[in-house]
Amino acid sequence: GAVVSQHPSWVICKSGTSVKIECRSLDFQATTMFWYRQFPKQSLMLMATSNEGSKATYEQGVEKDKFLINHASLTLSTLTVTSAHPEDSSFYICSADAGPTDTQYFGPGTRLTVL
Amino acid sequence: QQPVQSPQAVILREGEDAVINCSSSKALYSVHWYRQKHGEAPVFLMILLKGGEQKGHEKISASFNEKKQQSSLYLTASQLSYSGTYFCVSGNKLTFGGGTRVLVKP
Repeated sequence: GAVVSQHPSWVICKSGTSVKIECRSLDFQATTMFWYRQFPKQSLMLMATSNEGSKATYEQGVEKDKFLINHASLTLSTLTVTSAHPEDSSFYICSADAGPTDTQYFGPGTRLTVL
Repeated sequence: QQPVQSPQAVILREGEDAVINCSSSKALYSVHWYRQKHGEAPVFLMILLKGGEQKGHEKISASFNEKKQQSSLYLTASQLSYSGTYFCVSGNKLTFGGGTRVLVKP
């Protein structure tokens, strides 16, 4: 089946620093990847759609200058949380579109803790 | 707008059945169902693409009523491994429902 990896699995950083999270599709190519954020005991909220070779599409209320997305190749998308603050602490999950039915395959997630 | 799921949580004894409902105020062109275990990413269960479609995987099945903009997930003869949070996802814009927490006890 389609496998998506994320790195790192967890990260702890100081307030004001930037953190980069990588999302890779390991055995398929994904022209579209998605970034979600999930707070404890809440549902996943779509942050942005990452398109290979073009600018990401951000959901309403998501600051594009704070959450930088780069989709440099058909197997890699990165999310950079710039100037992270404690309220950015969350579980960040990426997914990749694996076919014509829009089935999403999720990465294992990255738990970000900003001190 | 987020699909609405009900119930929000359910506790079952092993072997019991449960139904999770998902409804949308907007047109549903497809519905995905995922299950998420605590601290893990969601795992794809199934996708329903057409009104009236029903699908199943082992003893978990789902139906899709496109006209009513609703889908239901059926857990039959539940197993301990069925515990987790179930999400319906509107295929229109990959909008996750609020989730239904399922706990299956021995």
